[in-house]
Amino acid sequence: DVKVTQSSRYLVKRTGEKVFLECVQDMDHENMFWYRQDPGLGLRLIYFSYDVKMKEKGDIPEGYSVSREKKERFSLILESASTNQTSMYLCASSKATVNTGELFFGEGSRLTVL
Amino acid sequence: AQKVTQAQTEISVVEKEDVTLDCVYETRDTTYYLFWYKQPPSGELVFLIRRNSFDEQNEISGRYSWNFQKSTSSFNFTITASQVVDSAVYFCALSEGLIAGTYKYIFGTGTRLKVLA
Repeated sequence: DVKVTQSSRYLVKRTGEKVFLECVQDMDHENMFWYRQDPGLGLRLIYFSYDVKMKEKGDIPEGYSVSREKKERFSLILESASTNQTSMYLCASSKATVNTGELFFGEGSRLTVL
Repeated sequence: AQKVTQAQTEISVVEKEDVTLDCVYETRDTTYYLFWYKQPPSGELVFLIRRNSFDEQNEISGRYSWNFQKSTSSFNFTITASQVVDSAVYFCALSEGLIAGTYKYIFGTGTRLKVLA
C-alpha cells in the first residue's frame, strides 16, 4: 500500500522553539510538497521540491525552511515557532510525469504553538 | 495568476438528495489539469478525479459525476443520491506547469458538505 507518512499527528510547542516536521514517501516520487491548511483559507503551498537538495518557495514560505537530503524524505522546519503558525500541515508527493499525476497526501500534522 | 474559487463554503443536504459542488478556475496555461479531492473527518485528502484541459467529456463514477466546461472555466462535481458517508470537505485543485515534469497544485478553499440522515 503506497503511503506518505508524517512523523507526528499532533504537536504542541512553545513560541520560539524550533520545530521539525518530517515526511516520508515510499512511492519513489520526485516531487514533494508542504501545505498548511487553515479554516476558510484552504490549502496553501509553503515549499516544494522536485529533486533531492532542490527546493522552491511556494506562496507562503516566510517563517519556514525545508530540507530534502534523500528522495523519500522532505522536512519542514520552523526555525522559531510563532502562534500564527498554529495550523494543520500536510505533506504530499507526486510523480514527475509529462501528464500531471495526482498528489498523494499524508494524514497531516496538527501543530499548536503556545 | 492561477486561481481556484469554490464559492460554496458549506452545504447541507438531506440524505438521498443530489448536490453539486462548484469550482471555477483561472489559468494562463493552455495545458492544465484539474482535480477533486475529498477530506473526510479523519483528515487525509483522498484523490477523486483528474481531468486534463483537452478532455471536456463529462465523467461519471458511480454516484459521482463531473462536468468540465472550458467556456466557463468550471469543473463542477455532482453527487447523486447523497449518503451520510459523503460528508466531508471537498477541494478542487488546478495544476500549474513549471519545469518539465514539475507542477504546482493550487487549491480552492474547499466546500464542507454535510449530509443529514
